Amino acid sequence: RKEVEQDPGPFNVPEGATVAFNCTYSNSASQSFFWYRQDCRKEPKLLMSVYSSGNEDGRFTAQLNRASQYISLLIRDSKLSDSATYLCVVNRAAGNNRKLIWGLGTSLAVNP
Amino acid sequence: DAGITQSPRYKITETGRQVTLMCHQTWSHSYMFWYRQDLGHGLRLIYYSAAADITDKGEVPDGYVVSRSKTENFPLTLESATRSQTSVYFCASSELAGGSRNEQFFGPGTRLTVL
Repeated sequence: RKEVEQDPGPFNVPEGATVAFNCTYSNSASQSFFWYRQDCRKEPKLLMSVYSSGNEDGRFTAQLNRASQYISLLIRDSKLSDSATYLCVVNRAAGNNRKLIWGLGTSLAVNP
Repeated sequence: DAGITQSPRYKITETGRQVTLMCHQTWSHSYMFWYRQDLGHGLRLIYYSAAADITDKGEVPDGYVVSRSKTENFPLTLESATRSQTSVYFCASSELAGGSRNEQFFGPGTRLTVL
């Protein structure tokens, strides 16, 4: 079993739809969590960190469920520009970026 | 404001040749990283550096060498390239290793093909 697992998709949704992705992690010692976005043939960019209490940034909401060991990303009112691959990232050790484990990503296509 | 740059952006080489990929950042970030990204695998850490003259192995260091004589540069050398090293290589930097300032900023990547 991979340490970080994501549904690869693709998720095809119309503009304006709400879409949610989940990511499961296997190591209960994991300390911090992130969602990165990667456009086709481009570098990953941080979308948002995921806090224990959940956090929201505009149309994006991230949540953490430590008991079930998953994090989620909700995108409301999808835009064409949201089309990308969303990477789930788990940091196994607090304060140590060497321990980042990257998921394979979930592909999202937002259609007009 | 150049940020983090990589060169070359594309490289084709032959098995057995030595190849050096360059990475330069203008933020004076302490931490720098080299990843490779392949189909079927997430980003995998090759080497990282916490400061000038301090480097350490990541998940897949075999066949690679790094150095960091200056804070802003972190070159990656493939001493004798193999076909299995065909990949997209990303360099990244971060201000700190922990806390709210551990976001990693990535360069645009180098697409390396080993024939």
